[in-house]
Amino acid sequence: GAVVSQHPSWVICKSGTSVKIECRSLDFQATTMFWYRQFPKQSLMLMATSNEGSKATYEQGVEKDKFLINHASLTLSTLTVTSAHPEDSSFYICSARYSGGGETQYFGPGTRLLVL
Amino acid sequence: AQSVSQHNHHVILSEAASLELGCNYSYGGTVNLFWYVQYPGQHLQLLLKYFSGDPLVKGIKGFEAEFIKSKFSFNLRKPSVQWSDTAEYFCAVKSGNNRLAFGKGNQVVVIP
Repeated sequence: GAVVSQHPSWVICKSGTSVKIECRSLDFQATTMFWYRQFPKQSLMLMATSNEGSKATYEQGVEKDKFLINHASLTLSTLTVTSAHPEDSSFYICSARYSGGGETQYFGPGTRLLVL
Repeated sequence: AQSVSQHNHHVILSEAASLELGCNYSYGGTVNLFWYVQYPGQHLQLLLKYFSGDPLVKGIKGFEAEFIKSKFSFNLRKPSVQWSDTAEYFCAVKSGNNRLAFGKGNQVVVIP
């Protein structure tokens, strides 16, 4: 149980385009979803926390107009990287937590973004 | 802000050797502690967690971790590793600000 999927797993795009990444909880309702970014040989850095039906809470230094997060349902959250640039190339990972599941987060497999 | 430290980023050991990975955090209040594992090509999976109670926590696949409050530590151990334990291991701490802070990870390679 507690499976989280992400789509796509890989995306390559041109500079200036927008990319949408989906995060789905497959067998539970995710009251809270988190978006992380991981640079090579570094730790996961929390970008934002989103609760279903409300605006996402962004971490300091993360541009909310650049990284649009939508959590429209209890099983889906999307991260849109707008006007992507090469420096946005990274590994983006989502996680989800459900009500009654305590503080444990369940992680998706990640999405590798390469901006040319 | 809380921080999580993991030392010795790369660990190489032989099968049947014992493994201990250190994790220290900087937050002084109540914490929830986690170890996650990421096998090659796979997503992060929960290995074990500590919220309260017995400070010695047993996890999956023979792993255990001990919470020592006075040392702000939550070290991970396995008495005898297998080749299949080759993975990256992340310590994570959740404190009062409701955010999960991760260490930089330990890349563990077990040589058959």
